[in-house]
Amino acid sequence: GAVVSQHPSWVICKSGTSVKIECRSLDFQATTMFWYRQFPKQSLMLMATSNEGSKATYEQGVEKDKFLINHASLTLSTLTVTSAHPEDSSFYICSANGQYNSPLHFGNGTRLTVT
Amino acid sequence: AQKITQTQPGMFVQEKEAVTLDCTYDTSDPSYGLFWYKQPSSGEMIFLIYQGSYDQQNATEGRYSLNFQKARKSANLVISASQLGDSAMYFCAMREHIRTGANSKLTFGKGITLSVRP
Repeated sequence: GAVVSQHPSWVICKSGTSVKIECRSLDFQATTMFWYRQFPKQSLMLMATSNEGSKATYEQGVEKDKFLINHASLTLSTLTVTSAHPEDSSFYICSANGQYNSPLHFGNGTRLTVT
Repeated sequence: AQKITQTQPGMFVQEKEAVTLDCTYDTSDPSYGLFWYKQPSSGEMIFLIYQGSYDQQNATEGRYSLNFQKARKSANLVISASQLGDSAMYFCAMREHIRTGANSKLTFGKGITLSVRP
């Protein structure tokens, strides 16, 4: 079945540094990918929709300059958390889809800890 | 207004028994899809079952079935013969505008924690 690979699975970084998370669709082309954020025991909150070849669409309240999204190819989207702070510590998970009525395929998530 | 509502507190079920996880939704779009995902403690999102708004029959996938009541806007997940490995968080989600072919986002409910007792 369709697979989405997300890397790294976990990362610890110091406050003020930037972290890049990659999301790849391995056996299908994904014109659209979605980035979610999840705090412990809470739901997945959509941060942004990543569109191949164009600017990402951010949800209300999500800082564009802090969470940089690049979707340069049909199989790769990246999320860069710039100048990370401890409050950015969270579980970030990406997803991609093929057909409009098919389930989103999720990566395994990235657990970010900012010290 | 919330689009997906999951209000049950943590659920407990005895192994081998059936359990129903509730989900209600809100949309004015006639063309939508409803999904259930399982998230174990490891964090990955596992797709369980899908129900389209135009589907005439309730969806079933192995031990999972969806009790779809369109007029009441509910899409409850039924897990039969619960197993210890079913202990996880379960999310109901909705996608609108599915017939336009647009890559619309998936909106999630708050989730329900299910614990299966041996």
